[in-house]
Amino acid sequence: QVQLQESGPGLVKPLEMLSLTCSVSRGFITSGNYVWSWIRQHPGKGLEWIGYIYHSGTTSYNAPFKRRVMISVDTSKNQFSLKLSSVTAADTAVYFCARESSPGAGYFDTWGQGLLVTVSS
Amino acid sequence: EIVLTQSPPTLSVSPGERATLSCRASQSIDSNLAWYQQKAGQAPRLLMYGASTRATGIPARFSGSGSGTEFTLTISSLQSEDFALYYCQQYNNWLSFGGGTKVEIK
Repeated sequence: QVQLQESGPGLVKPLEMLSLTCSVSRGFITSGNYVWSWIRQHPGKGLEWIGYIYHSGTTSYNAPFKRRVMISVDTSKNQFSLKLSSVTAADTAVYFCARESSPGAGYFDTWGQGLLVTVSS
Repeated sequence: EIVLTQSPPTLSVSPGERATLSCRASQSIDSNLAWYQQKAGQAPRLLMYGASTRATGIPARFSGSGSGTEFTLTISSLQSEDFALYYCQQYNNWLSFGGGTKVEIK
């Protein structure tokens, strides 16, 4: 079964770029036309979808993030990444990467463990 | 944007009792709704999709119903491991999540 693992800095300064990577193991990111997503959760709050990418590189972003988010994929490294620019304290959250249950499903059965990113000087 | 409103925010239930959680969509999402369970420090776990289909390995005490704008997740007899946070998610029009319901021990 595919496994996901987030990595990246746990502390980012305000107005800088948040950069995270999701490494895919026990499977290939190119196997099937799955959506690979980033979802975040503010401490003690609900879940917020950020965006997703297909292995082809096609992306879709949640409207509130469109101006400052980029999701990319590196099939040679079997991973996909999130970049969020001009971060503020409001971007402090646990960031999850996730894969949908089956191509086109729209819901997620495979999640990374999550990575807490704190925005602070 | 489709807004999902979950109620109640907190549900206090005794072990062995039934729990009924609600999720209301701001517009029709047909049956394109999933439910997740989340425990502290863990990623969400898929419980239900298509509003009423249990995901692999989910016990039969979990059931889902509804379509359009009104949905319900029922846990027929709460076990100790069921006390957790529950989220609904729509995938009819982009993706969005509800605010969650915490099921706590009464």
